[in-house]
Amino acid sequence: GAVVSQHPSRVICKSGTSVKIECRSLDFQATTMFWYRQFPKQSLMLMATSNEGSKATYEQGVEKDKFLINHASLTLSTLTVTSAHPEDSSFYICSANPLSLGLAGRETQYFGPGTRLLVL
Amino acid sequence: AQSVTQPDIHITVSEGASLELRCNYSYGATPYLFWYVQSPGQGLQLLLKYFSGDTLVQGIKGFEAEFKRSQSSFNLRKPSVHWSDAAEYFCAVDPNQAGTALIFGKGTTLSVSS
Repeated sequence: GAVVSQHPSRVICKSGTSVKIECRSLDFQATTMFWYRQFPKQSLMLMATSNEGSKATYEQGVEKDKFLINHASLTLSTLTVTSAHPEDSSFYICSANPLSLGLAGRETQYFGPGTRLLVL
Repeated sequence: AQSVTQPDIHITVSEGASLELRCNYSYGATPYLFWYVQSPGQGLQLLLKYFSGDTLVQGIKGFEAEFKRSQSSFNLRKPSVHWSDAAEYFCAVDPNQAGTALIFGKGTTLSVSS
């Protein structure tokens, strides 16, 4: 149980275009999902916290108008990279905490497989 | 400043040898502690976690970790490493103990030699 999927797994786009990445919890519901960014050979850095039915909370230095987050349901959050540029090329990973597994389950994050974005 | 430190950037271990990956945290209260493993180009897989209670926790794939409050450490161990264990290992904390976003260490790359 507690599987998180991401789509697409990798995407190549031209500079100036927008890219949408989906994060789904397949067998549980989550009011909160998290979006992380990982540069090559580096750690994961939190970008934003996605809250179902409300606005996302962005970390300092993350442009909310560039990285649009929509948490439309308890099983889906999307990250849209608008007007992508080469410096946005990175590995984007989402995670979620299960609501339905009780207190212990809620405090463990499960991660998606990641989406590799390459902007040319 | 609050932080998670993994002092070893890269470790090479012979197959069959024991392994210890270090993790230290700097937070006022004991946070929730996690170890994740990431294979190249893949997402993160939870190895084990510590919330409270027994300070020696068992995880998947034969890994264990010991929480030492006095040293603010949560080191990961495995008695006998397999070639398939070669990966990136991340120590992470939930400083608020509330299922909030995790703070990650910089990671340790494990190479396994034959």
